[in-house]
Amino acid sequence: AQSVTQPDIHITVSEGASLELRCNYSYGATPYLFWYVQSPGQGLQLLLKYFSGDTLVQGIKGFEAEFKRSQSSFNLRKPSVHWSDAAEYFCAVGPSGGYNKLIFGAGTRLAVHP
Amino acid sequence: SAVISQKPSRDICQRGTSLTIQCQVDSQVTMMFWYRQQPGQSLTLIATANQGSEATYESGFVIDKFPISRPNLTFSTLTVSNMSPEDSSIYLCSVRMGGGRSYNEQFFGPGTRLTVL
Repeated sequence: AQSVTQPDIHITVSEGASLELRCNYSYGATPYLFWYVQSPGQGLQLLLKYFSGDTLVQGIKGFEAEFKRSQSSFNLRKPSVHWSDAAEYFCAVGPSGGYNKLIFGAGTRLAVHP
Repeated sequence: SAVISQKPSRDICQRGTSLTIQCQVDSQVTMMFWYRQQPGQSLTLIATANQGSEATYESGFVIDKFPISRPNLTFSTLTVSNMSPEDSSIYLCSVRMGGGRSYNEQFFGPGTRLTVL
C-alpha cells in the first residue's frame, strides 16, 4: 500500500542553522512528491513538487528537496532557517487510487529558536 | 494556482446540529476535494466532489454524515451532520487544476476550524 513516513514529529533548530526534514515513501511506481507547509491557524501552502527530471527541486521561501529513488526519500532542506519558518511541514505522495488522491505523512512540527 | 476561500473560517457548534462549509474558487477547476485534519493529526481525504454527480467517498466516510454538493466548477459545500465532539477538526477544501503534469498538484483553502461542544 502507498504510504508516507515522516520520522521526526518535532524538530527544533536555531535561527540561521540549516534544516533537513525527512520523508520516506512507499509507492509502486514513479511517484509525484510534494511538500506543504501549514503555519499556525492557516491552510496548506505548496512549497515544492517533484514530477520527473532533475532530482533536486527548488521551491518557494528558499526550500529545496532531493528525490532519491534508491532510498525512497524526498527530504526537504533549507540552508539557513528564519524564525518565520516555524510551522508544520507535510510530505505527500500521489497519485493514489482511482481518483488520484494524495497520501500525506503525519507531519513534522518545526520550532525555531532565536 | 488558484485562490480558494472557505466560509466560515471557524465555528463552535452544539452536538446534534449540522454545519455547512462553503468552498469557492476563483477559476474553474477539474476536481475538488474535502479533507479533514483532526487535532494534531495529518490530513485525511473525506471525498472527491464531482460536478453534477454524487461525491466519491473514501473508506470510513458516508454521505449521510458528510453530504457534499458541487453545483458548478468553482463551488462546493460540505455538510457535517448530526455533529458530535469527535467531529471537531479543521476541514479543508482542495482543488486540482487541469492539464499536463500539474494535474496532480493540489491547492488548499485556508480551512474551517470546527469545534463541537
